[in-house]
Amino acid sequence: AQSVTQPDIHITVSEGASLELRCNYSYGATPYLFWYVQSPGQGLQLLLKYFSGDTLVQGIKGFEAEFKRSQSSFNLRKPSVHWSDAAEYFCAVRAGYSTLTFGKGTMLLVSP
Amino acid sequence: NAGVTQTPKFQVLKTGQSMTLQCAQDMNHEYMSWYRQDPGMGLRLIHYSVGAGITDQGEVPNGYNVSRSTTEDFPLRLLSAAPSQTSVYFCASSTMKGVNEQYFGPGTRLTVT
Repeated sequence: AQSVTQPDIHITVSEGASLELRCNYSYGATPYLFWYVQSPGQGLQLLLKYFSGDTLVQGIKGFEAEFKRSQSSFNLRKPSVHWSDAAEYFCAVRAGYSTLTFGKGTMLLVSP
Repeated sequence: NAGVTQTPKFQVLKTGQSMTLQCAQDMNHEYMSWYRQDPGMGLRLIHYSVGAGITDQGEVPNGYNVSRSTTEDFPLRLLSAAPSQTSVYFCASSTMKGVNEQYFGPGTRLTVT
């Protein structure tokens, strides 16, 4: 069965600093991978997705993620964090028709 | 398009009561699903459907029923609510073609006392 691990429960980053959120997956076939963001009290919004091709994918709000098959990772990055990026971030892998398996999330806190 | 809509936004139930959480989408998506979100647990799949008349269980189906009589609607029923079902519930939908990201509703916050 597929699984997703997000090793960091909380991360605090200074505004303007770079950000990397880690995601490791376990899946037997070529994965479809996603990053979602959830602001407090809101639903989930898709940041970016990977299914094939270029291993560096660009998303919305200046985020990017790099797929590394050898490390079973799909880390999310942003070169300069803004206060509005404070939210919870979820990595997910797709299996079957459309079934998503989510990681437990990483809460990003942005300090001034 | 309204996207994925959920009602109600908030609900308080007493143990043993029943209720239905409503979910509707106007994107003609074949796939619909229900998740629950609990602190530190991420989102866990309750039930899903790949089309009208077809449903299947996810990771945590116990205590919940679903049906899919139309493409648009996918209600989630709690037959006898328990405090362990206190959670935030999200409905999502997607096509079943290509890299089909899921679109999420705004969620229903349910408290069972």
